[in-house]
Amino acid sequence: DTAVSQTPKYLVTQMGNDKSIKCEQNLGHDTMYWYKQDSKKFLKIMFSYNNKELIINETVPNRFSPKSPDKAHLNLHINSLELGDSAVYFCASSKIAGGYTDTQYFGPGTRLTVL
Amino acid sequence: GQQLNQSPQSMFIQEGEDVSMNCTSSSIFNTWLWYKQEPGEGPVLLIALYKAGELTSNGRLTAQFGITRKDSFLNISASIPSDVGIYFCAGLTGGGNKLTFGTGTQLKVEL
Repeated sequence: DTAVSQTPKYLVTQMGNDKSIKCEQNLGHDTMYWYKQDSKKFLKIMFSYNNKELIINETVPNRFSPKSPDKAHLNLHINSLELGDSAVYFCASSKIAGGYTDTQYFGPGTRLTVL
Repeated sequence: GQQLNQSPQSMFIQEGEDVSMNCTSSSIFNTWLWYKQEPGEGPVLLIALYKAGELTSNGRLTAQFGITRKDSFLNISASIPSDVGIYFCAGLTGGGNKLTFGTGTQLKVEL
């Protein structure tokens, strides 16, 4: 059973296009995240949603728009794709427990290549 | 912003050797985490550290939360081929759920 799943696994597209990446978690978690991993493997948080509300937005261009239709889904829509958007995008989820944040479980990643 | 620097950047070791890597920060964190990422996969949590000075083990892995709250180390004993991957430290600031990841240590194990 997949805990955090992302589709598609690979996405190759032309500059200027609009694309979406979907994420679903079946762990019953309250919080979901999007991370970007660049070619040097550096992982950086982009967004975080808790119960469908945006709680972290890390100076990401407004071409990136997360959408959370429900607690189990957090999709990432990217407008006007640029070459620099090429990266691996990871979705993650966690259940906030008490004063600590519970473990973040990561999806398998979506490798986006912009040509 | 906060930055976590890991060293070494990469390691090439013999099977059976012990491995040590560390992570330093310019800022204080309340929680330190160590993740492992294998090719084509997302990071997987190995060890979580919640208190300064804490030493925690998970099988052949041992990690410590530095007493200054600005560093952590991870040791792997008797390495095996399946230990290959990229190891990331990550720090969590108090009360929040924002993870700041380190620069990663790539581990390669020679048979």
